[in-house]
Amino acid sequence: KAGVTQTPRYLIKTRGQQVTLSCSPISGHRSVSWYQQTPGQGLQFLFEYFSETQRNKGNFPGRFSGRQFSNSRSEMNVSTLELGDSALYLCASRLDGNQPQHFGDGTRLSIL
Amino acid sequence: AQSVTQLGSHVSVSEGALVLLRCNYSSSVPPYLFWYVQYPNQGLQLLLKYTSAATLVKGINGFEAEFKKSETSFHLTKPSAHMSDAAEYFCAVSAFTGGGNKLTFGTGTQLKVEL
Repeated sequence: KAGVTQTPRYLIKTRGQQVTLSCSPISGHRSVSWYQQTPGQGLQFLFEYFSETQRNKGNFPGRFSGRQFSNSRSEMNVSTLELGDSALYLCASRLDGNQPQHFGDGTRLSIL
Repeated sequence: AQSVTQLGSHVSVSEGALVLLRCNYSSSVPPYLFWYVQYPNQGLQLLLKYTSAATLVKGINGFEAEFKKSETSFHLTKPSAHMSDAAEYFCAVSAFTGGGNKLTFGTGTQLKVEL
């Protein structure tokens, strides 16, 4: 069974640009969550989607947004990029309830 | 609200020695607890989970953890460290509220295994 797939693995952008990251969950998983990982702040929850609806949201500015498609694939968008947005962005999927989350290898975003 | 505290950002052990990584949690509702491991340039891999069944949980790669409610702890142990165990380990707590949940992570513990 294929795991969580995130594309691209690496991305370099400049300040002010916008970026879209993609996540394909494990087949059958309907919940997709996004996390940001930085050396200073650690792992922080961004948002969770289930059946195309945002179900939970972390404490991030409105520049961070996401969506989920009918096939459970999810995208995350960050607009007006700032230097502080440089991070590893991790996507996780799970069946639902309190089933554990399974993570992809992440997208490393670098802002110049 | 939930939170996790991992004592010791860096732990060093000799190969073959006991591994003990500490995790204390705070939760206003019965918690679900997880340990994840992260190798360089990779995502998080689930080691084990506690979901209110047995208090001693066995995971992959010989790791186990014991849930102690009285101590609000969920420490991770492995009887004999192997070089391949060198990685960063994260303890996480989640609480199911009926509207989905999220993982709250500790700050991580970097495990170094020496010959």
